[in-house]
Amino acid sequence: AQKITQTQPGMFVQEKEAVTLDCTYDTSDQSYGLFWYKQPSSGEMIFLIYQGSYDEQNATEGRYSLNFQKARKSANLVISASQLGDSAMYFCATRSEKLVFGKGTKLTVNP
Amino acid sequence: GAGVSQTPSNKVTEKGKYVELRCDPISGHTALYWYRQSLGQGPEFLIYFQGTGAADDSGLPNDRFFAVRPEGSVSTLKIQRTERGDSAVYLCASSSEFNTEAFFGQGTRLTVV
Repeated sequence: AQKITQTQPGMFVQEKEAVTLDCTYDTSDQSYGLFWYKQPSSGEMIFLIYQGSYDEQNATEGRYSLNFQKARKSANLVISASQLGDSAMYFCATRSEKLVFGKGTKLTVNP
Repeated sequence: GAGVSQTPSNKVTEKGKYVELRCDPISGHTALYWYRQSLGQGPEFLIYFQGTGAADDSGLPNDRFFAVRPEGSVSTLKIQRTERGDSAVYLCASSSEFNTEAFFGQGTRLTVV
């Protein structure tokens, strides 16, 4: 079975600072993918970053990086230089066959 | 089409009625997912298609829910005898390869009154 745990219901960060959103996963599969999505108040689901289970280097996409610690089954999202537009819900997900999401973290960026 | 299209965008129905929600995935995407999302919650997995077949329907809450994808493209989620607890946003997503992202539609907001 696949499971994602996001333990932070809400996070606050000052504009221009970095923030880490936690994600742990559980899967019995050897090959899997890890994803982060952003959902603003408009409701659309926006893909941010992907990490494959066999990728040795942490994924990066602009201001987003994924801190992948395989032994700990951890896939934290790091957002550098936060912007007001980063305020949204953030979901971690894993896929080996079906794509399973966590409950999300609501990030608020303060000016 | 350019993206995943879901119709209708909003649906209001009376308790006990039957509804169909449609998802038109990105052309060529073999994988298609349905999710249900309540306010403030994460997307709850319902069913996953690989081509025409349901590869995993373990998330369907009960036998009132059914989904089809007869030609491996458009999918329809069908809900019989709707209940007020079925009110939610129903999201559809599609993807091509295993190691690529899933693209989401804008969702259908279902309200059962």
